[in-house]
Amino acid sequence: DQQVKQNSPSLSVQEGRISILNCDYTNSMFDYFLWYKKYPAEGPTFLISISSIKDKNEDGRFTVFLNKSAKHLSLHIVPSQPGDSAVYFCAASWGGQGAQKLVFGQGTRLTINP
Amino acid sequence: GAVVSQHPSRVICKSGTSVKIECRSLDFQATTMFWYRQFPKQSLMLMATSNEGSKATYEQGVEKDKFLINHASLTLSTLTVTSAHPEDSSFYICSARAQGGDYGYTFGSGTRLTVV
Repeated sequence: DQQVKQNSPSLSVQEGRISILNCDYTNSMFDYFLWYKKYPAEGPTFLISISSIKDKNEDGRFTVFLNKSAKHLSLHIVPSQPGDSAVYFCAASWGGQGAQKLVFGQGTRLTINP
Repeated sequence: GAVVSQHPSRVICKSGTSVKIECRSLDFQATTMFWYRQFPKQSLMLMATSNEGSKATYEQGVEKDKFLINHASLTLSTLTVTSAHPEDSSFYICSARAQGGDYGYTFGSGTRLTVV
């Protein structure tokens, strides 16, 4: 049972435009969500997180939106840059920021075209 | 920021042998570390939670006798793949969480294990 789903395995975006990566979850107990960026043969790098008490969190070019009623979150990257090309994973946990276990989505490969 | 070092980055071993992977938190103490496994083009699957000074907690379906975890200090956890088989070939990643700050969970760089 895939509790965190990223239904788009890949996404291609023009440099300078907005990249929108989507993630859906099924477990209503999840209360903390994170986005990670991963290059091949490397560990994931933390990008941004959001608590379920918020609906938006912004950090520079990255913004995460959370729609609890739809059990959906998205990561917006604007403007997109070539260095953003990577695989992006969303992850979820329960128990707040002090929680331990993360459940990952399948990942979305983002390609930024010059 | 919090840094997690994982070693080795790549290892090739023969079937039947054992391989040890180390995960170190370099600038923080981690009472809990996590071991993940990633198959090609798939998600990261949590294998076990490593607890300093006590037994690891394994996820359902993960053989604890095959994947031995030792968390002897606040900065080091090791994963030993025992009697490795080709189907154990995978990308193994550890992570830890630094207390305070919004770093999320910091991951090591991963270990590519190939069993021949």
